[in-house]
Amino acid sequence: GAGVSQSPSNKVTEKGKDVELRCDPISGHTALYWYRQRLGQGLEFLIYFQGNSAPDKSGLPSDRFSAERTGESVSTLTIQRTQQEDSAVYLCASSSPQGSSYEQYFGPGTRLTVT
Amino acid sequence: GENVEQHPSTLSVQEGDSAVIKCTYSDSASNYFPWYKQELGKRPQLIIDIRSNVGEKKDQRIAVTLNKTAKHFSLHITETQPEDSAVYFCAARGTGRRALTFGSGTRLQVQP
Repeated sequence: GAGVSQSPSNKVTEKGKDVELRCDPISGHTALYWYRQRLGQGLEFLIYFQGNSAPDKSGLPSDRFSAERTGESVSTLTIQRTQQEDSAVYLCASSSPQGSSYEQYFGPGTRLTVT
Repeated sequence: GENVEQHPSTLSVQEGDSAVIKCTYSDSASNYFPWYKQELGKRPQLIIDIRSNVGEKKDQRIAVTLNKTAKHFSLHITETQPEDSAVYFCAARGTGRRALTFGSGTRLQVQP
């Protein structure tokens, strides 16, 4: 079946502009996560959605970052007034609450470059 | 919150040798510990995971051990092959949130 997809795959933007990144989780996966991966570094948690519960926003680095999710489907991560330090790969992952599986399936990521 | 430390940051081994990567975590209530492999320019892929009620798990050439008392877990790769070359990340799932906290990664290079 289809895996997690993300768009765009690459985004170059000028400092100060807003960007919107999209994630399509695996169908039926109620949990969705956003992570940020700076070059050569590990993955930093940004935000987590689970069904209709309030999202866990504890990883968002500033109020310039926000995310939405429509039901149990598509999510968008928005970065306002982008800064050069926002340059990174933004990864989305989804997981299913079925059974005892905790596995998170990652999308290919969006590489954001802020010039 | 959870904090995960990973060592070493780089590891070079000869083909056929074993490789060991170690991680420690801070939240004693963490209950799930996956390992991901990330090849250059690709997404992280789960290679093995372990729950807190198990001490060891094996899958062919890969094994993970967990020491809950010491709060550390390790990845063991035996009979390494050049295709094992990648960055490996450990992670832990705490009780405060269901997202994973990742280690900083280990770049493994297997020399043919």
